[in-house]
Amino acid sequence: GAGVSQTPSNKVTEKGKYVELRCDPISGHTALYWYRQSLGQGPEFLIYFQGTGAADDSGLPNDRFFAVRPEGSVSTLKIQRTERGDSAVYLCASSQGQGYTDTQYFGPGTRLTVL
Amino acid sequence: AQSVTQLDSQVPVFEEAPVELRCNYSSSVSVYLFWYVQYPNQGLQLLLKYLSGSTLVKGINGFEAEFNKSQTSFHLRKPSVHISDTAEYFCAVSMVTGNQFYFGTGTSLTVIP
Repeated sequence: GAGVSQTPSNKVTEKGKYVELRCDPISGHTALYWYRQSLGQGPEFLIYFQGTGAADDSGLPNDRFFAVRPEGSVSTLKIQRTERGDSAVYLCASSQGQGYTDTQYFGPGTRLTVL
Repeated sequence: AQSVTQLDSQVPVFEEAPVELRCNYSSSVSVYLFWYVQYPNQGLQLLLKYLSGSTLVKGINGFEAEFNKSQTSFHLRKPSVHISDTAEYFCAVSMVTGNQFYFGTGTSLTVIP
C-alpha cells in the first residue's frame, strides 16, 4: 500500500518568503507528526496531530511556524518569513493510534533550502 | 527534561563481525524506547521498540536491544553484520505520559567488506 508522501521533495526559497510543505499520511492513520532534521542531527519534534487537532505543538520553534490538518488526513506545515536557519529536511510521520507506542511511518522528507 | 545520547557518531565494522551501537537516555519518568534506521536515500523505519515486559527486544534484520533501567541504556546489537546494514541508526525515547518524541543524533554504521 501507499506510504507517507511529502511534497515537494525539494524546495528552494529566498529569505523572507513564505513556504508550505505538504504531508499525505497513510490512509486511516489518525496520528501525524512533523519533525525537522538539520545536517548531522537527529529529527527534532515539531508538532503532533491527533485527528484534526494539534495535540502537542510545543516543538514549534517560534510563531513563524504553523501547521494544519483540517480534515484529519493531509497536513500542511507553513513557514512565514523564512530565515536561513530554517534550512533543513522536514519529515512527516503517521501512525495508527494515539501516543508514541505505535510505530511511526516516515515519509521521505522535504529538503528546504533558504538562500 | 528528556534527552538521548548516542555516544558514537560513526562505527566502522567488518562484514560478519558483531556490532553494538550505544544509546543512553535521561528522564525523570518512565519511557518508551525505540531504534530507527535510515538506509541511504530512504525514509526512517522502525527497527524495534521497548514498551514494557522483557528487557530484551528483538527487531527486524537480526537486530536486538536490551533495556537497562539502572544504567538508563538501550544499546543495539547484532551478532554478525552484513553489507546491507550500512545505514544511519537513531535511538529515540518518548515519555509514557507524553506526546513528544526525542531522537539522538544518530550513529552512522559502515560495514566494510
